[in-house]
Amino acid sequence: QKEVEQDPGPLSVPEGAIVSLNCTYSNSAFQYFMWYRQYSRKGPELLMYTYSSGNKEDGRFTAQVDKSSKYISLFIRDSQPSDSATYLCAIRHGGSQGNLIFGKGTKLSVKP
Amino acid sequence: EAGVTQFPSHSVIEKGQTVTLRCDPISGHDNLYWYRRVMGKEIKFLLHFVKESKQDESGMPNNRFLAERTGGTYSTLKVQPAELEDSGVYFCASSQESPNTGELFFGEGSRLTVL
Repeated sequence: QKEVEQDPGPLSVPEGAIVSLNCTYSNSAFQYFMWYRQYSRKGPELLMYTYSSGNKEDGRFTAQVDKSSKYISLFIRDSQPSDSATYLCAIRHGGSQGNLIFGKGTKLSVKP
Repeated sequence: EAGVTQFPSHSVIEKGQTVTLRCDPISGHDNLYWYRRVMGKEIKFLLHFVKESKQDESGMPNNRFLAERTGGTYSTLKVQPAELEDSGVYFCASSQESPNTGELFFGEGSRLTVL
């Protein structure tokens, strides 16, 4: 069983739609949860970071963690064409500073 | 302020040849990481430097890969001899001493094609 599972998509939505991206993980020892966004031919950039169950909001983005279900989500409200990118979930153990475990990434396309 | 820079952006070599990838982290970042994404797979951790010391090299696939960070500034990743399965995108990232926010700053990657 993979440590992190993420549906690679692709996912295509109309502009203004609410987007839901999800990952599941297998090890309850993971403590830190991140969402990275990667534009084509660029490196990943951090969007959201959380270490507790619950919701964290930043503008149009909401990250949700459910540790009991080992499930993390990223919601994008009022999606824009500029949101078109690959979204990667990443997790890590508490004692592992930079050893991030990435999902495969979900490719999102927002059509005008 | 300059971000993480990687060179070359793309390298095409033949099986058995040697390639050296270079990464310049953000100035002042003691932590430097190498990751790799092979086609169709996830981005995978290779190793982590703190200054010039290897903190964690658990992700290095085999002894054909050699990473160095002499002087604690830029880093190189050498693949010798290269094999077909080494093809992929090699990402370098850096972070401040205690990245509690989990933020690693990634470069744009070096794409390696082994023919």
